[in-house]
Amino acid sequence: AQSVTQPDIHITVSEGASLELRCNYSYGATPYLFWYVQSPGQGLQLLLKYFSGDTLVQGIKGFEAEFKRSQSSFNLRKPSVHWSDAAEYFCAVGAGGNKLVFGAGTILRVKS
Amino acid sequence: GAVVSQHPSRVICKSGTSVKIECRSLDFQATTMFWYRQFPKQSLMLMATSNEGSKATYEQGVEKDKFLINHASLTLSTLTVTSAHPEDSSFYICSAQGTSDYNEQFFGPGTRLTVL
Repeated sequence: AQSVTQPDIHITVSEGASLELRCNYSYGATPYLFWYVQSPGQGLQLLLKYFSGDTLVQGIKGFEAEFKRSQSSFNLRKPSVHWSDAAEYFCAVGAGGNKLVFGAGTILRVKS
Repeated sequence: GAVVSQHPSRVICKSGTSVKIECRSLDFQATTMFWYRQFPKQSLMLMATSNEGSKATYEQGVEKDKFLINHASLTLSTLTVTSAHPEDSSFYICSAQGTSDYNEQFFGPGTRLTVL
């Protein structure tokens, strides 16, 4: 069965510092991978997605992610974090039947 | 584009009553909608897949008689929590799947249900 692991429950970074959120997936075939962001009490906003092709994917708000098949990873990165990036981030893999399987999420705190 | 709304955003009800939550795709047609439940500080758990004009498909462990789903049109799906109890209190999020990219779902803002 498909699964997603986000090993970091909380991450704190200083404003202006770089960020990397980890995501590992388990899936038998070529995965469809997504990163979503959720602000408190809100729904999810898609940051970026990977279906095929270039393994480095650019998203909104200056985020990017790199698909590494050999490591079964799809880590999210941002070179310089802004205070407004504080939120919860979810990695997800497309499962059969158009379903999504989500990781447990990583809460990002930004300190000034 | 690809906006999904939910109504109400917040509801408080007494134990034993039923609550209906609406999910609408505002600017596109969605043949498939999904309903998720999110507990505090946890991830989203898929409850059911709703297909327009047919019965919903429920995930294992989700009571279909308790969580009634209706997808009567290409822009509207409803989730009714019947005979709600305090343990049903949660954040319910819907998503709608567009017709272009595989698996891309557009999420609503969520509904906070509190059962007293």
